[in-house]
Order: sequence, then C-alpha cells, then structure tokens
Amino acid sequence: GQNIDQPTEMTATEGAIVQINCTYQTSGFNGLFWYQQHAGEAPTFLSYNVLDGLEEKGRFSSFLSRSKGYSYLLLKELQMKDSASYLCAVRDSNYQLIWGAGTKLIIKP
Amino acid sequence: SAVISQKPSRDICQRGTSLTIQCQVDSQVTMMFWYRQQPGQSLTLIATANQGSEATYESGFVIDKFPISRPNLTFSTLTVSNMSPEDSSIYLCSGLAGGDWGEQFFGPGTRLTVL
Repeated sequence: GQNIDQPTEMTATEGAIVQINCTYQTSGFNGLFWYQQHAGEAPTFLSYNVLDGLEEKGRFSSFLSRSKGYSYLLLKELQMKDSASYLCAVRDSNYQLIWGAGTKLIIKP
Repeated sequence: SAVISQKPSRDICQRGTSLTIQCQVDSQVTMMFWYRQQPGQSLTLIATANQGSEATYESGFVIDKFPISRPNLTFSTLTVSNMSPEDSSIYLCSGLAGGDWGEQFFGPGTRLTVL
C-alpha cells in the first residue's frame, strides 16, 4: 500500500530552526510537495521536489532523497506565524497526491 | 497560480437534506478534485471531477452520495446527499495547473455541520 509518515506534532522556539521529516512508500513517484495549513484555512503550497537535493526558498528549504524515500522541510528563523500544520504529499504514478497526516508545529516565544 | 472560490463557505444542515457546494477557478485547470478533511486530520480525496463525464471516485465514496458535476474547465459542484452527522467536515475543492509538475492549489473550503 501507499504510505506517508511524518511526526504528529513538534514544538520549537521563536527564532530557532526546525526540521520536519517525511518518509514515503508509494506506487511511483512524480514529485513531493510540502503544504502549510493554518487552522481553519485551506492548505497553501510551499515547495516541490522532484530531483534529489535541497530546494531553498527564503526561510524555508525542502530536501529530497528518492533512494531513501525521504524528505524534510527546514524552517529557519521561526516566527510565531509559522505555527501551523505542515503536510507532506507525494504524487504517485497516476499523478494523484498521496497525503501525509500532517505535522502540527507549535512555536513558543 | 490560479485562485479558487467556493460557496457556501459554511453551512449548518439538517439530517436527510442535501447541500451543493460550488467551486469556481479563475483560470482553466487540467484537473479538479474534491477533498474532505475532518478536524485535525489530513486530506481525504473524494473524487476527481472530469469535464463532461462522470467523476472518478475513490474507494469508500459513491456517486449516489456525492454526485459531482464539471461542465467546463473552470467550474465544478459537489453535492452531499442525504446528509448525516458523519458528513460534518470541511470540503475542499482543488485544481491542478498544467505542466510537468503542476502545482495543486486549494479553495478556501466549505465547513459543513450536519445536525
């Protein structure tokens, strides 16, 4: 079966760095996505990886290792507004997104 | 990226009734999807809305319960039929832009409460 694993909840301090891991087992691979979702709102796109390596976009970076079925989202200089759920999703061979359960990130002052 | 609007944004409905949710995209998209999200949980795909033909439903979802229309490339509707309290959820419309990688983006969601 298809499976996406990520931690349920993480806590970090304002100004610090946090890494959210995601491991996956899917039928085919056509890219990995990270989305941010604030409570009561729709998910918003953060990043996309299809090749191995690190993609940097401002304070957020995303890494992919296809051979290991592994990705992480790195958030630097954490701000209180970064408190949200972070969803990992993999596009499978049918070009459908398989979603992880999400990681709730709590930022403390 | 495209912008998706949904209406209603929220509704409270009685058991046994039906609600139709509308989804409008401001530009053409190759694919449209309907998701359900329970509080604190991830997204569950209900179906892929196909233009001019029947939607493709995921396991556990059927057309009689969740009829879907997609008359053109920018509009779709989802009906939640014969509702029960278990249908209380957030329903999200999503669109996929074209291209090799195609960002998938979401509407603001419809928060449905069934009494």
